Amino acid sequence: GAVVSQHPSWVICKSGTSVKIECRSLDFQATTMFWYRQFPKKSLMLMATSNEGSKATYEQGVEKDKFLINHASLTLSTLTVTSAHPEDSSFYICSARDAGGKYIQYFGAGTRLSVL
Amino acid sequence: QKEVEQDPGPLSVPEGAIVSLNCTYSNSAFQYFMWYRQYSRKGPELLMYTYSSGNKEDGRFTAQVDKSSKYISLFIRDSQPSDSATYLCALRAAAGNKLTFGGGTRVLVKP
Repeated sequence: GAVVSQHPSWVICKSGTSVKIECRSLDFQATTMFWYRQFPKKSLMLMATSNEGSKATYEQGVEKDKFLINHASLTLSTLTVTSAHPEDSSFYICSARDAGGKYIQYFGAGTRLSVL
Repeated sequence: QKEVEQDPGPLSVPEGAIVSLNCTYSNSAFQYFMWYRQYSRKGPELLMYTYSSGNKEDGRFTAQVDKSSKYISLFIRDSQPSDSATYLCALRAAAGNKLTFGGGTRVLVKP
């Protein structure tokens, strides 16, 4: 089956530092990847859609300078949380869409970010 | 009104029972229907994918879609404690990338 690897699974950082999260599609090419944020006991909230080789499209209310997305290859997208603050603490999940199949989104295991 | 409505639960059933989950939606543009399972602090895992009205079966899971009523269901037969998780329905229009999620139903299967 389609596997999406997300790393790290948990990161703790100090306020003001930047954190990078990687999302890789392991056995398929993903022209489109998605980044979500999830609060406790809530559903997924789409932050941005990234297409390989082009700028990400951010959802309304998501600060593009705070959440930098790079999709440099067909198998890798990264999310960098810049100058993180405690309110950025959350569960971040990526997904990749299998362009060769039925356009199904497969999700990574998520990254828990704690900003002290 | 939300585009996709899903009862948050929790839904508690004894082991071996049938779990019945459903979502209703208002936008007739939705053509693709998915069910994901999410364990605590993990990413969603795809269970079922359908694109037409009717039933689709995969092992202990059966997905039903009724486009005329804008109603989708997921049934889990012979439920196990390991099925305890949050189940999310996700819908997508024919044109576009985005998934619209239901709020998720928390299921607890008691031994």
